[in-house]
Amino acid sequence: NAGVTQTPKFRILKIGQSMTLQCAQDMNHNYMYWYRQDPGMGLKLIYYSVGAGITDKGEVPNGYNVSRSTTEDFPLRLELAAPSQTSVYFCASSAQGSDTQYFGPGTRLTVL
Amino acid sequence: EDKVVQSPLSLVVHEGDTVTLNCSYEVTNFRSLLWYKQEKKAPTFLFMLTSSGIEKKSGRLSSILDKKELSSILNITATQTGDSAIYLCAVLGGTASKLTFGTGTRLQVTL
Repeated sequence: NAGVTQTPKFRILKIGQSMTLQCAQDMNHNYMYWYRQDPGMGLKLIYYSVGAGITDKGEVPNGYNVSRSTTEDFPLRLELAAPSQTSVYFCASSAQGSDTQYFGPGTRLTVL
Repeated sequence: EDKVVQSPLSLVVHEGDTVTLNCSYEVTNFRSLLWYKQEKKAPTFLFMLTSSGIEKKSGRLSSILDKKELSSILNITATQTGDSAIYLCAVLGGTASKLTFGTGTRLQVTL
C-alpha cells in the first residue's frame, strides 16, 4: 500500500498565481485532512472532509478551497497565492471510528 | 478555543539519558491524545491515549495520560541519536476527528 501520497514535493509560486496540491490515499479512509506547518510551529488544520462530497473548514481556511469528489482524493486549491501561504502542507487520513491519522510526506510551498 | 501546550520547547541530552516531555491541553469534548514523532518529513504515529493512568509502551518509549490534570507525558529511556526529532502532542476533541497540535518539543540527542 502506498498510504497517503502528495504531489508535488516542492513548489515555488509567484504572488497571485494559483495551484492545486494533490493528495490521495489508498486505505479507503473516509476522513481526510489538510494541515499547514509553519517553521517552529505545530500543525494547523485548513480543511477536512468526512466523506466524498462533504467538506468543512478547519482553523485556517482563508485563501484555500477543497473538493472531495471521490473517497481517495482530496485536492487543496490556492487561488491567489500570497507570501503568508509559504509553508509545508500535510495531508492526512483516518478511518471512520479511528482517532489515528496517517500523514503524507508533505509539500513544501514557497510564495515569492 | 482548543489549546495544546508542550514543554520544553527544545532539549539537548547525551546518549543514554532519560527524557520526559510534557503536554497539557484545554480541549472541548476531549476524546483522545496522540503523540507523533516528526523527523525530516511527515509526523509518524507513536501512541494514542484515551484512559487516565494506563501506560502505553513501545520499546524505550512510554506515555501516560492524566485526565484530571489535563496532561500527558512521553518518556524516552536510554536515548539514542536516532531519537533526535520533534515530538508532537495532539488532542482530539469534538467530532470529525479534528486534531489540535502543540508546537512540539525538539529533542536533540548527542554522542
